[in-house]
Amino acid sequence: DTGVSQNPRHKITKRGQNVTFRCDPISEHNRLYWYRQTLGQGPEFLTYFQNEAQLEKSRLLSDRFSAERPKGSFSTLEIQRTEQGDSAMYLCASSPRYREQYFGPGTRLTVT
Amino acid sequence: EDQVTQSPEALRLQEGESSSLNCSYTVSGLRGLFWYRQDPGKGPEFLFTLYSAGEEKEKERLKATLTKKESFLHITAPKPEDSATYLCAVHAPFITQGGSEKLVFGKGTKLTVNP
Repeated sequence: DTGVSQNPRHKITKRGQNVTFRCDPISEHNRLYWYRQTLGQGPEFLTYFQNEAQLEKSRLLSDRFSAERPKGSFSTLEIQRTEQGDSAMYLCASSPRYREQYFGPGTRLTVT
Repeated sequence: EDQVTQSPEALRLQEGESSSLNCSYTVSGLRGLFWYRQDPGKGPEFLFTLYSAGEEKEKERLKATLTKKESFLHITAPKPEDSATYLCAVHAPFITQGGSEKLVFGKGTKLTVNP
């Protein structure tokens, strides 16, 4: 399967803990995006990478959030000192230039 | 600010009962309108891209159309397996990075097709 993959699929953590999610995009896509989706809402943009460069960050992305894409391949999204409001589905998408974005299955985060 | 509004929020149909979902948008210079299907607990699945008014795309029982202010997703003779949330999104350019863009989504329409 050559689609976008994300790991883990589900993560339950206690408030205050750090969590890290991984995204493996479609191999020939140089653009990678992270979105967050809460119940009953559409996905909301968090951050964007072109190759290894992080070019855009939403104001939704507080200082507790950090993302990387070393060598322009996979990407990681880390949340430090998690809060209950961080509970959501975290979606990764990739695309070639000026085209549609293809989403992974998402990581469901529950903060207790 | 770029905005996407979808209606209705939820729609229940009987199998075979055709209908349409609406997506109205406000964006400075449309660079693409996208329809996605999302099943519970999964990521959005790409369906269609529309770029200009008058454009139409079809896939099985689905047909997407575009005007200057809105898009419609027509569902002809739906089946229970068409039950899902349908999301509409537009490309919104980044202010600081010319040539790059993000997707701005509506809240979706939850479609239920009863047998």
